[in-house]
Amino acid sequence: GQNIDQPTEMTATEGAIVQINCTYQTSGFNGLFWYQQHAGEAPTFLSYNVLDGLEEKGRFSSFLSRSKGYSYLLLKELQMKDSASYLCAVMDSNYQLIWGAGTKLIIKP
Amino acid sequence: GAGVSQSPSNKVTEKGKDVELRCDPISGHTALYWYRQSLGQGLEFLIYFQGNSAPDKSGLPSDRFSAERTGGSVSTLTIQRTQQEDSAVYLCASTPEPSETQYFGPGTRLLVL
Repeated sequence: GQNIDQPTEMTATEGAIVQINCTYQTSGFNGLFWYQQHAGEAPTFLSYNVLDGLEEKGRFSSFLSRSKGYSYLLLKELQMKDSASYLCAVMDSNYQLIWGAGTKLIIKP
Repeated sequence: GAGVSQSPSNKVTEKGKDVELRCDPISGHTALYWYRQSLGQGLEFLIYFQGNSAPDKSGLPSDRFSAERTGGSVSTLTIQRTQQEDSAVYLCASTPEPSETQYFGPGTRLLVL
């Protein structure tokens, strides 16, 4: 079956760095997406990886290892507004997104 | 339009009633998706439209759920004889092509009493 695993909840301190991991098993692979979702709002796109390696975009970076079925989202210089859920999603061979349950990130002052 | 829009933003209905949820995708986007998200949960795929192809209905949880997309643009998700377990946020997303990033609307929060 298809499966996306990510931690349910993480806590970090303002100004620090946090890494949110995602492991996946899917039928085919056409890229991995990270989305941010604030409470009561729709998910918004953060990053897309289809090749192995690190993609950096400002304070956010996303890493992919296809051979390991593994990705992480790295958030630097954490701000209170980064408190949100972070959703990992893999696009399968049918171009359907398979979604993880999300990681709720709590930022403490 | 500038983004995906959905209406209504909130809907409260009584058990057994029918509801219609509407999604206006970004202009020119050929692919449209409906998802359901229960409180604190991940996204559950419901149905997918791509151009003029037959929709992928594999995620619809029961025959009470149906959706259509008229003229390749606006989509309506209909839930007949609503049940309390249908209470959730219903999200619509669109994308220029299936392989590209999905952009989400604000969602419709459905509460079935």
